[in-house]
Amino acid sequence: QIQLVQSGPELKKPGESVKISCKASGYTFTNYGMYWVKQAPGQGLQYMGWINTETGKPTYADDFKGRFVFFLETSASTAYLQINNLKNEDMATYFCARRPLFMGWGQGVMVTVSS
Amino acid sequence: DTVLTQSPALAVSPGERVTISCRASESVSTLMHWYQQKPGQQPTLLIYLASNLESGVPARFSGSGSGTDFTLTIDPVEADDTATYYCQQSWNDPPTFGGGTKLELK
Repeated sequence: QIQLVQSGPELKKPGESVKISCKASGYTFTNYGMYWVKQAPGQGLQYMGWINTETGKPTYADDFKGRFVFFLETSASTAYLQINNLKNEDMATYFCARRPLFMGWGQGVMVTVSS
Repeated sequence: DTVLTQSPALAVSPGERVTISCRASESVSTLMHWYQQKPGQQPTLLIYLASNLESGVPARFSGSGSGTDFTLTIDPVEADDTATYYCQQSWNDPPTFGGGTKLELK
């Protein structure tokens, strides 16, 4: 079955960068793209974009163009989200989810931004 | 972007029937899906393509609708159904989520 295991919680200062991983198993990694979703504390789900795991091409939602980077380590069946120049409003839980239909989800990574 | 509107919260008693609604700002055909998120957990897919039950999801859950108006029904509600329920459309790009409906049991 689909299993997505994400890296652990992160505590960062404003201006730093963070890299979150999402390791897939139970299916052929390159056959299905990977979504990224943000959930701020006490808030709903916000679509960030997705990465084509066959070509490596990322697509970013408008609110996530610039400081957010999706990339892959295909040999390890792992997708990554990197957030550069962290801001207070980046404090949230970040989920990966397999396309299509957000069918399987990682457990989420809580990113805390505090000086 | 397509805006999905949900009622923020509902409170029902175990054994009752509950309907959770989702209205889209434009037609999404039947490309509407429903997710359950329990506190502290990741969301899970319940219903896809408006009315199809995801494997392993109890038959107490059902979905209906097309165009702009959709409904998730739980009948009967059990204590374990305490969660936030999100609708999500994939007809228009980008995919969007509703704000979520928090279901509490009395």
